[in-house]
Amino acid sequence: QQQVKQSPQSLIVQKGGISIINCAYENTAFDYFPWYQQFPGKGPALLIAIRPDVSEKKEGRFTISFNKSAKQFSLHIMDSQPGDSATYFCAASTLSSASKIIFGSGTRLSIRP
Amino acid sequence: DTAVSQTPKYLVTQMGNDKSIKCEQNLGHDTMYWYKQDSKKFLKIMFSYNNKELIINETVPNRFSPKSPDKAHLNLHINSLELGDSAVYFCASSLSGRSLYNEQFFGPGTRLTVL
Repeated sequence: QQQVKQSPQSLIVQKGGISIINCAYENTAFDYFPWYQQFPGKGPALLIAIRPDVSEKKEGRFTISFNKSAKQFSLHIMDSQPGDSATYFCAASTLSSASKIIFGSGTRLSIRP
Repeated sequence: DTAVSQTPKYLVTQMGNDKSIKCEQNLGHDTMYWYKQDSKKFLKIMFSYNNKELIINETVPNRFSPKSPDKAHLNLHINSLELGDSAVYFCASSLSGRSLYNEQFFGPGTRLTVL
């Protein structure tokens, strides 16, 4: 049962463009929504995270938009760079099971120079 | 200065063999995890230990047995390997699995290929 649905599966964006990855969840008990970035041959690393009491969080070129009523959240990468080419995972977890992170299926992002 | 390290990085073995993957973290964290990433990049938690105590045990065949000799180490032993066990296995750690907002730090992964 996939509790966090992620789209698209793959995405190609021109350098300087905006990359947008979308996620939707089912479990309204989720309290924490991190995004992880994974480069080829490496382990995932935390990129940015949001709590459901805010609608947006921005860190540099990376922004998470969160819509609690729609149970959706998205990652926006502004001024996308070739170095951003990686696989991105949205994720969610709950207070009752804090160490258990449910990951989305991943989006392979390629930024064309 | 490796934070979470795993050995070996690559593991190629025959069906039916028994193998182990080792993980060590030097971050002073008290919670460690094992994840499996399949060929489609899907990442799923297998086990989690907090201070050497098993706190998460997902639906994983009992051929997989984690062992935590101390809170800095979490090893994964796999018996009677099957073709479907081929995947990349990631170890991770966090400061405390009891806190919602703790970042999980992942190791570089071990690519297991079962022939």
